[in-house]
Amino acid sequence: DAGITQSPRHKVTETGTPVTLRCHQTENHRYMYWYRQDPGHGLRLIHYSYGVKDTDKGEVSDGYSVSRSKTEDFLLTLESATSSQTSVYFCAISESGQPNSPLHFGNGTRLTVT
Amino acid sequence: RKEVEQDPGPFNVPEGATVAFNCTYSNSASQSFFWYRQDCRKEPKLLMSVYSSGNEDGRFTAQLNRASQYISLLIRDSKLSDSATYLCVVMDTGRRALTFGSGTRLQVQP
Repeated sequence: DAGITQSPRHKVTETGTPVTLRCHQTENHRYMYWYRQDPGHGLRLIHYSYGVKDTDKGEVSDGYSVSRSKTEDFLLTLESATSSQTSVYFCAISESGQPNSPLHFGNGTRLTVT
Repeated sequence: RKEVEQDPGPFNVPEGATVAFNCTYSNSASQSFFWYRQDCRKEPKLLMSVYSSGNEDGRFTAQLNRASQYISLLIRDSKLSDSATYLCVVMDTGRRALTFGSGTRLQVQP
């Protein structure tokens, strides 16, 4: 399996608090992604990165920010968590970001905002 | 309208059955297509890519119909271990990320 670690695996937090999720990879892949998965919506792209300090928004980026200061780490921050951000968050990596380069996913972070 | 649509199922089939899933996509500029598999409470994993001419991998056959903008996955001789959610995935020209369908759940029963 691709070397991707997400932390924490589970988190419960209160509305209005900041939350940071971490994705760490040991594959030296250039592309990294954050998705959220909700019933009825499938996986939706939040943000992605195509290199150190190079990031772009996905389809559901409002309320989220990201940072990538090192190739191996991609951080997702909820500046002020809301109940609508309760979800399962998946990080994924891709060697090239090209169509023929599949995504490898981390185990996911289950976030509950109360 | 969602970019990628799938019948959520569940499809309940007996072992040994043949089952087919369809998926439709809205963007005619889409260029790459995949099926991913996701087990309950696990991460998605690539099952197979879908090529224009159709392709087969063991008991699994994927087909693409660009004119009608749909993709299909056929599973022959279903096994209990095939029980999972199957995600239809599309990559559009110029984008660097994949768009996922909501998934079709398959339950293979003994």
